[in-house]
Amino acid sequence: DAKTTQPPSMDCAEGRAANLPCNHSTISGNEYVYWYRQIHSQGPQYIIHGLKNNETNEMASLIITEDRKSSTLILPHATLRDTAVYYCIVRVANQAGTALIFGKGTTLSVSS
Amino acid sequence: DAGVIQSPRHEVTEMGQEVTLRCKLISGHNSLFWYRQTMMRGLELLIYFNNNVPIDDSGMPEDRFSAKMPNASFSTLKIQPSEPRDSAVYFCASSWGWQAGYGYTFGSGTRLTVV
Repeated sequence: DAKTTQPPSMDCAEGRAANLPCNHSTISGNEYVYWYRQIHSQGPQYIIHGLKNNETNEMASLIITEDRKSSTLILPHATLRDTAVYYCIVRVANQAGTALIFGKGTTLSVSS
Repeated sequence: DAGVIQSPRHEVTEMGQEVTLRCKLISGHNSLFWYRQTMMRGLELLIYFNNNVPIDDSGMPEDRFSAKMPNASFSTLKIQPSEPRDSAVYFCASSWGWQAGYGYTFGSGTRLTVV
């Protein structure tokens, strides 16, 4: 699986958009980008995933650059409950390989 | 849906004792994953199953660790004998199919302390 690079930490004011970057410059054509988050003392939670088109769901939006070498997870109106570690994972979908491997992620701190 | 259920939530045991962690999958899911989390090493994949069959156990740290799926909805992770360095939070997750990267549902974890 391609390696991802994320900043170790970010801050965001409550009510503002949180934009979390992820670099995956060695991504292959059949690899998806997945985002999970882990709120303190809980198990990770799936947020969103995409291949090359931008995706949006009730939790967040995922913007993938045209060359697919980087992506941004957007939480449009961050709340205190969005304080968590956010993991960006790149892997092939629906093909024999390994299960999800988590890196160190980005610790997002939302403050009032 | 009750989600993935792990038990116990907390376990404190003495070095050398056997520890058994339990996990109940979400109904309809056929893949099961065990992870371990520590401050130093982060979230590590230990082993995963598909349709009760272990697919990859290369993350299991030592022979002291073993995992089973006696049926399609239940799994155990056993450590025998336990050591202080096994202290961690152990998570299990289930999904429909292990190949897809989405749809992993994690349990609340078991915090294991070995003294």
